[in-house]
This record gives sequence, C-alpha cells and structure tokens, in this order.
Amino acid sequence: EAGVAQSPRYKIIEKRQSVAFWCNPISGHATLYWYQQILGQGPKLLIQFQNNGVVDDSQLPKDRFSAERLKGVDSTLKIQPAKLEDSAVYLCASSQEFSYNEQFFGPGTRLTVL
Amino acid sequence: AQSVTQLDSQVPVFEEAPVELRCNYSSSVSVYLFWYVQYPNQGLQLLLKYLSGSTLVESINGFEAEFNKSQTSFHLRKPSVHISDTAEYFCAVSESGSARQLTFGSGTQLTVLP
Repeated sequence: EAGVAQSPRYKIIEKRQSVAFWCNPISGHATLYWYQQILGQGPKLLIQFQNNGVVDDSQLPKDRFSAERLKGVDSTLKIQPAKLEDSAVYLCASSQEFSYNEQFFGPGTRLTVL
Repeated sequence: AQSVTQLDSQVPVFEEAPVELRCNYSSSVSVYLFWYVQYPNQGLQLLLKYLSGSTLVESINGFEAEFNKSQTSFHLRKPSVHISDTAEYFCAVSESGSARQLTFGSGTQLTVLP
C-alpha cells in the first residue's frame, strides 16, 4: 500500500513570495490533515478535511494561508505572501473515516523563507 | 482544551541501557494517547497507542507505555535500547469523541550512544 505522498520535499523562497505544497493521501482515506512543524516544536494542526469539506481550520492564518481538497482526494496548501516565520516543515497526514485517530504521515515539505 | 508536556527535550543514553521518555497531558475529558517516532528526514510513524482497556501498551520493537490516569501520564519505556532507536519521539493526545484531532508535545530527541 502506497503511503502519503508530498511534493516538493524542499523549497526555498524569499519573503513575500508565494508557494504551494501538494499532498496525495492514502487511497480510500477520507480525512486529510495539514500540520506545521517549526524547528524544535511538535506538529501543529493547520486544517482538517473530511472528504472535500473543511472540518476545522481554526488555526490556519487565513490572511495568507489557503488550502483546498478538490474531489476529496489530493490537496494543496498555499502561502501568499510568505513571511520569515513560515519557515517550517509542512506535514500532510491522512486517516480512515472511522479509525481511532491512526494518522499516517507523509515525509513533509521543508520550507525555508529568506 | 488539551495539552501535552514532554519535559525532556533531549535524552542521551548508552546502547543496551534502559530509557524512559516522559509525557504528561492535560484534559478535562477522556483521552486517547499516542507515541509517534520521527527518523531524520522522514514523516511521523505511529509507535503505539492507548484507546481503552489495558493501561500497558506495547510496540513491536520493544517499547511500552503505561497510561496513568491519576498522574495524567503516558511515559514511554524500553528496557534495552539500540543505536537504531535514535530518533525524535512525540507524545500526542486526542479527546475521545472529538473530530480525531491530535495535540502533540514538543518532542524528545533520543540519542543512543555506542
């Protein structure tokens, strides 16, 4: 069974530029999560999708971050414009709709904002 | 709101020695508890979980954790560590019945020395 795929693995941009990350969850997983992991901290949930609907985006900085999950499969997370403090690893995870929170994580995208 | 505290940010230990990684949580309702492991440049992998039943849970590679409700703890232990156990370990909590959202601790870097 293929795992959660993410691309790119690394991205370096300058502040005020825009960037997009892509995630393809495990086939059949209805729930998809985006996390931000700043160096030295644990992952922090940004947004949770159930199929193509948003369950929780309360910690997503909506003035600059946006995310979508068209057709309830893969998802993109965008930052526009980026700030220095957005430097982090962005993790995507997915889980089955009725599982006990067993989330499967992708390898992440490491973003550096200069 | 729930929270997780991992008091030790770094734990160095010699090979074949025992280790304990501490995790305390705060929540006003019943919880599910998890330990995830993150190897360099990889995503998080579920190590073990407590959902209900026996308070002692084990992983396939020799780790165990015990849920202690009175002390609100879920410490991770291994009687004899290997070099390959070197990684970052994250404790996470989810309120039972919630939308399966995880709150992570800040992580403990376990370094096994030869």
